[in-house]
Amino acid sequence: AQSVTQPDIHITVSEGASLELRCNYSYGATPYLFWYVQSPGQGLQLLLKYFSGDTLVQGIKGFEAEFKRSQSSFNLRKPSVHWSDAAEYFCAVGDGSGNTGKLIFGQGTTLQVKP
Amino acid sequence: DADVTQTPRNRITKTGKRIMLECSQTKGHDRMYWYRQDPGLGLRLIYYSFDVKDINKGEISDGYSVSRQAQAKFSLSLESAIPNQTALYFCATSDPNRDPFFGPGTRLTVL
Repeated sequence: AQSVTQPDIHITVSEGASLELRCNYSYGATPYLFWYVQSPGQGLQLLLKYFSGDTLVQGIKGFEAEFKRSQSSFNLRKPSVHWSDAAEYFCAVGDGSGNTGKLIFGQGTTLQVKP
Repeated sequence: DADVTQTPRNRITKTGKRIMLECSQTKGHDRMYWYRQDPGLGLRLIYYSFDVKDINKGEISDGYSVSRQAQAKFSLSLESAIPNQTALYFCATSDPNRDPFFGPGTRLTVL
């Protein structure tokens, strides 16, 4: 069965520091992978996605993620965190049929940014 | 105007009451979904619909029902609400090879 694991429930970083949020997935075929961000009291916003091709994908707000098939990982990175990045981040995997709205989500990682 | 609208945005109800959450979209997508979010569990799929005549159960459909009234409307019903259905509910839409788009969410509290 498909599954997504975000090992870190809560992460605190200082403003200006680099960030890496981990995501591991279990899926038998080539996965469709997503990172979403949820700001307090808000809905979900798509940061970036991977379907195929270049394994390093760029997203909005300066985020990037790297797909590593050998490690079943899709970690999210940002070189310099801003206070406005404080939010909850979700990794998700979609089935490969093209039905990209049917997603399996990880548990989420809450990011706190220290001034 | 918002692409995906959910009503109500917040609702407090009592155990045993019937409640309906509504979702409407202007994105023109055929596929619609209902998810619930619980702290520490992420989002889980309740029901999804590929078109007006197609309804499918998701991971956690027990205690819920849905109605696809039109391509643009997808409602979620709790026939007899219970406290562990307190959660944040999201409607989403998609089409093949298009990014799934999430609505703003409905916060439901069952007392």
